[in-house]
Amino acid sequence: GAVVSQHPSRVICKSGTSVKIECRSLDFQATTMFWYRQFPKQSLMLMATSNEGSKATYEQGVEKDKFLINHASLTLSTLTVTSAHPEDSSFYICSARDTVSYTQYFGPGTRLTVL
Amino acid sequence: QKEVEQNSGPLSVPEGAIASLNCTYSDRVSQSFFWYRQYSGKSPELIMSIYSNGDKEDGRFTAQLNKASQYVSLLIRDSQPSDSATYLCARGDSNYQLIWGAGTKLIIKP
Repeated sequence: GAVVSQHPSRVICKSGTSVKIECRSLDFQATTMFWYRQFPKQSLMLMATSNEGSKATYEQGVEKDKFLINHASLTLSTLTVTSAHPEDSSFYICSARDTVSYTQYFGPGTRLTVL
Repeated sequence: QKEVEQNSGPLSVPEGAIASLNCTYSDRVSQSFFWYRQYSGKSPELIMSIYSNGDKEDGRFTAQLNKASQYVSLLIRDSQPSDSATYLCARGDSNYQLIWGAGTKLIIKP
């Protein structure tokens, strides 16, 4: 089956530091990957759509300079939270869309805690 | 009106019974529909995709799609406590992006 990995699974950092999260599709190619954020007991919130080889498309209200996205290959997208603050603490989840079936498969998520 | 509507629940079903989860959508041109399951603190997991009117069965799960009435449902037979989770319905738009419902919390009572 389609597998998406995310690394790290959990990160704790100090306020003001930057954190990079990797998302990889392990057994399929993904021209498009998505980054979501989910706060406790709330719905998934799409942050941005990442297309291989081009700039990401950010949802309204998401700061592109704060959440840097790079999608350099068909199997890897990265999200960097720059100058993280406590309010950025959340569960960040990526998904990868299979180029053939257009089905989205989710990574296991990264729990970010900013102290 | 939300594009994809789900009853937030919780929906409580006794163990062994059939759990029925429903989802309605407003866009008549949608062609692809998906059900995901999300356990608390975990990421969503794909259960079923359905593209044609009618039923699609996979093990204890059956997805039902009715494009004329703009609804898609998920039936879980022989419900188990491990089926307790939030079930997310999504439709694919013309750009193959997913439009999500808010999810239905399902509780299977032993």
